[in-house]
Amino acid sequence: DGGITQSPKYLFRKEGQNVTLSCEQNLNHDAMYWYRQDPGQGLRLIYYSQIVNDFQKGDIAEGYSVSREKKESFPLTVTSAQKNPTAFYLCASQVTGELFFGEGSRLTVL
Amino acid sequence: QQQVKQSPQSLIVQKGGISIINCAYENTAFDYFPWYQQFPGKGPALLIAIRPDVSEKKEGRFTISFNKSAKQFSLHIMDSQPGDSATYFCAASIFYAGGTSYGKLTFGQGTILTVHP
Repeated sequence: DGGITQSPKYLFRKEGQNVTLSCEQNLNHDAMYWYRQDPGQGLRLIYYSQIVNDFQKGDIAEGYSVSREKKESFPLTVTSAQKNPTAFYLCASQVTGELFFGEGSRLTVL
Repeated sequence: QQQVKQSPQSLIVQKGGISIINCAYENTAFDYFPWYQQFPGKGPALLIAIRPDVSEKKEGRFTISFNKSAKQFSLHIMDSQPGDSATYFCAASIFYAGGTSYGKLTFGQGTILTVHP
């Protein structure tokens, strides 16, 4: 089946550790996005990529990094510089305006 | 300029009633207005979307009403059902960013809808 696969679904991290969230798509979409979801704040854009080997900062990029070496993959690293990393992270790909989301990764910092 | 404001934050409706969620935007360049539905523990999924060349779009029990002059749009859910209980997000973007690129979406804060049986 075509879609967006995010892993892991749940992740626990100690303060000061970096963690990488995986996002893979087999929809052959050029554009991919990372959003962060917090209660009452909607979805806020972290990074996006319109094409392989290119990506742009979103509204809340500080403390995060990404890479886009392959069309189907767009991993997100939450670094120790991110002050409040506990959140639900959503990856999406885009075609003709519509976003297709994965099922999300819930990160908890202990 | 990029904000999309959504209200109410939460909404409780009886089965068979009408659910109404409102959104307002500031950027007059926005020309694509989708609504997404999210069930607990899942990613959002596109429910319905509208472009500003029409004032209303209906798909089954779901209707978007769009008021370009007021820079507002709303989602109406007719005959609301318990299965409609979810979080709803409005969003806005500049549909076509050029080349093969489509615009990045700006989302509202979300509305938690509960439909009681």
